[in-house]
Amino acid sequence: GDSVTQMEGPVTLSEEAFLTINCTYTATGYPSLFWYVQYPGEGLQLLLKATKADDKGSNKGFEATYRKETTSFHLEKGSVQVSDSAVYFCALRDTGRRALTFGSGTRLQVQP
Amino acid sequence: NAGVTQTPKFQVLKTGQSMTLQCAQDMNHEYMSWYRQDPGMGLRLIHYSVGAGITDQGEVPNGYNVSRSTTEDFPLRLLSAAPSQTSVYFCASSGTAMSLRSEQFFGPGTRLTVL
Repeated sequence: GDSVTQMEGPVTLSEEAFLTINCTYTATGYPSLFWYVQYPGEGLQLLLKATKADDKGSNKGFEATYRKETTSFHLEKGSVQVSDSAVYFCALRDTGRRALTFGSGTRLQVQP
Repeated sequence: NAGVTQTPKFQVLKTGQSMTLQCAQDMNHEYMSWYRQDPGMGLRLIHYSVGAGITDQGEVPNGYNVSRSTTEDFPLRLLSAAPSQTSVYFCASSGTAMSLRSEQFFGPGTRLTVL
């Protein structure tokens, strides 16, 4: 079946540091890949997505590239801010599937 | 345009009690779903619906019922609450049930504690 594996957190960084959150997946079809962000006390919001191999999703300074050869979709940001502190979820939606499969989430804490 | 709304935000139940978590969306979305979020486990799908009158089970359906009498509403019922159902519940919707590209919009969540 489908699965998503994320690096365990929490990840603690200083402001302006470089961020990488690793995500790898297994899927039986040709999935679309997503990163969702959950700020404290709120629901999930779509951060970025990629629908086919080699696509790069980007939003708010975050980027992730769909790498089919390594089945990965790592999230990166060049310079994090305190306001980026949140939980980040990697997810996929496989061909013919009606729902998303989520990773366990990675908590990011950015210190001033 | 309120998006996806959920009520209540917080709820405490005793074992064996029943309750309904409400979810509504005003985007005319076909697809609606319920997830539960537990520490270290991400979100797991409970039930989903691809349109009014059509529902199906997700990954963890036991102990929960759903119905979809209108496009807008998708309530989740706990018939006899158990401590294992202590969790945060999220409702989500998207415009097209089978589109791989369609974004899911999430409600703010309901935090449920069963004593």
